[in-house]
Amino acid sequence: GNSVTQMEGPVTLSEEAFLTINCTYTATGYPSLFWYVQYPGEGLQLLLKATKADDKGSNKGFEATYRKETTSFHLEKGSVQVSDSAVYFCALPIYGGSQGNLIFGKGTKLSVKP
Amino acid sequence: AAGVIQSPRHLIKEKRETATLKCYPIPRHDTVYWYQQGPGQDPQFLISFYEKMQSDKGSIPDRFSAQQFSDYHSELNMSSLELGDSALYFCASSPSPTGGFEQFFGPGTRLTVL
Repeated sequence: GNSVTQMEGPVTLSEEAFLTINCTYTATGYPSLFWYVQYPGEGLQLLLKATKADDKGSNKGFEATYRKETTSFHLEKGSVQVSDSAVYFCALPIYGGSQGNLIFGKGTKLSVKP
Repeated sequence: AAGVIQSPRHLIKEKRETATLKCYPIPRHDTVYWYQQGPGQDPQFLISFYEKMQSDKGSIPDRFSAQQFSDYHSELNMSSLELGDSALYFCASSPSPTGGFEQFFGPGTRLTVL
């Protein structure tokens, strides 16, 4: 099955700092890739996704580009806000493709200080 | 927009007791997934259903069982509870296991086993 390795935190940044959370994957074929966010005390929300190589997913100022050559899907944001404090999970379908059960990275906890 | 509903949101049980968690998918979603997230851990896939039939099985203990009913809601039954079962249990739904549709997660049920 596929696997995902994610930079572990915690990560602490000041407001307006640049954010990068690294995610690399091992997969057969070219599965869809996802970033999920979990705010304190809440469930998982899809933050962004990319379905094929060189696709860029973006949402709420966050971006991630599907890099086939480096098997990576790093999450970036140019200027973080306090409200971005959450745990971020990189994920992909465990069997590949674009659907089915997801396998998650270990999660990266982001804390943004004012 | 309607979201995935899970009940109860919090549940406290004693060791060796049983628990039933319920999940109500988004209307017209026929696929349900269950995940378990231990403290500080990433979500782990347990089991999934498509059109009321089990579609895949992950790391679900034999003490657990689940089913999907005719109205597409799903229940996760947990027996002989152990301390290690304390976790956040997520249900997710999607319109179909194929076609690249994303999974929409519920808020989770926090199970505490004492």
